[in-house]
Amino acid sequence: DGGITQSPKYLFRKEGQNVTLSCEQNLNHDAMYWYRQDPGQGLRLIYYSQIVNDFQKGDIAEGYSVSREKKESFPLTVTSAQKNPTAFYLCASTKQGAGQPQHFGDGTRLSIL
Amino acid sequence: EDQVTQSPEALRLQEGESSSLNCSYTVSGLRGLFWYRQDPGKGPEFLFTLYSAGEEKEKERLKATLTKKESFLHITAPKPEDSATYLCAVMGTNAGKSTFGDGTTLTVKP
Repeated sequence: DGGITQSPKYLFRKEGQNVTLSCEQNLNHDAMYWYRQDPGQGLRLIYYSQIVNDFQKGDIAEGYSVSREKKESFPLTVTSAQKNPTAFYLCASTKQGAGQPQHFGDGTRLSIL
Repeated sequence: EDQVTQSPEALRLQEGESSSLNCSYTVSGLRGLFWYRQDPGKGPEFLFTLYSAGEEKEKERLKATLTKKESFLHITAPKPEDSATYLCAVMGTNAGKSTFGDGTTLTVKP
């Protein structure tokens, strides 16, 4: 079955350390997204990419970086510049075209040691 | 800037007690309004897309409706398995991204 795979499910970061969250999709979707979700809140957009080798900042991009070298993969790096990284991170993808719903992975929960 | 406000934040119902969740929005050129269901520790699961005022969609005990300013998710005779957080999102003329509300957490007691 097609879907989105995020790994790892749980991740711990030490102070001053960069960590990378993986997101892979086999839905042949063009666009991919990274969101951050804090307890009791909705999803806030970090970065998104509509085509390979191109991506745009979302509403809270500071302290994060991404790459889109392959259509299937959109990894997110949480850098040491992100001072409050503890959150639930969700990756999503969608078909090209207006009004298409997003398909989500099951998330990575990042915590600070 | 697109905005989405969901109410109430939390809703507790008895099994079989019907109710509605509200999603108020402002958007520049609506391309789609989406409803998702999210279970604890999981990613959101797509439920419905509504494109224009007056449109309605149904799935089992859920029915979504849309006006020019808000959407309602009606839940008829809910069961405990309907307990989840329901998220609303809109996509405007910047069709590359969606704006999400903070969600309504529904608890259905047997």
